[in-house]
Amino acid sequence: EAQVTQNPRYLITVTGKKLTVTCSQNMNHEYMSWYRQDPGLGLRQIYYSMNVEVTDKGDVPEGYKVSRKEKRNFPLILESPSPNQTSLYFCASREQGALNQPQHFGDGTRLSIL
Amino acid sequence: KNEVEQSPQNLTAQEGEFITINCSYSVGISALHWLQQHPGGGIVSLFMLSSGKKKHGRLIATINIQEKHSSLHITASHPRDSAVYICAVPHYGGATNKLIFGTGTLLAVQP
Repeated sequence: EAQVTQNPRYLITVTGKKLTVTCSQNMNHEYMSWYRQDPGLGLRQIYYSMNVEVTDKGDVPEGYKVSRKEKRNFPLILESPSPNQTSLYFCASREQGALNQPQHFGDGTRLSIL
Repeated sequence: KNEVEQSPQNLTAQEGEFITINCSYSVGISALHWLQQHPGGGIVSLFMLSSGKKKHGRLIATINIQEKHSSLHITASHPRDSAVYICAVPHYGGATNKLIFGTGTLLAVQP
């Protein structure tokens, strides 16, 4: 079954404590991205990766890092989380360049930074 | 002005009603996506369309490229249709291509 798997689904943590949200896809997709979803703002892209070792900033990259060492994995790293990073996060994947194909999303990670 | 605008933002309907959700966009596109997000968060792709109309069960999506407008219709609505419906359009430019998302329409169908 085609899947994008995120972990954890829920996390409550404190300001400054480094955390990583993992994302893995089993469709051999080149393109992966991270979004955050906030009320009234819709989905905003944080970072994306067009292939292994190729990553770039999206629209709201401040405070986040990513890595793409393997094609299937694209973790999101918050080195020093702050309360304004409390949000619902989604990882997504698609074939490279295929904006006219369905996007595949993970189930989301609800992150609360106290 | 947002590049992708949806209306209404919130919609409450009675079971069985015909529902319409609208999406207008200001950028030139080759296709438009409709997504569904259920309570609990997961997002699934419903439709991708570039012209005319597509139908899947009780869901119908239409698009008018000239008017830069798309609609999502739900016939014989049911409480299980309660979700956030999001439209998204491709943006081609710069070093990458990406989707631009509307802010979503929260639909509640009451029994």
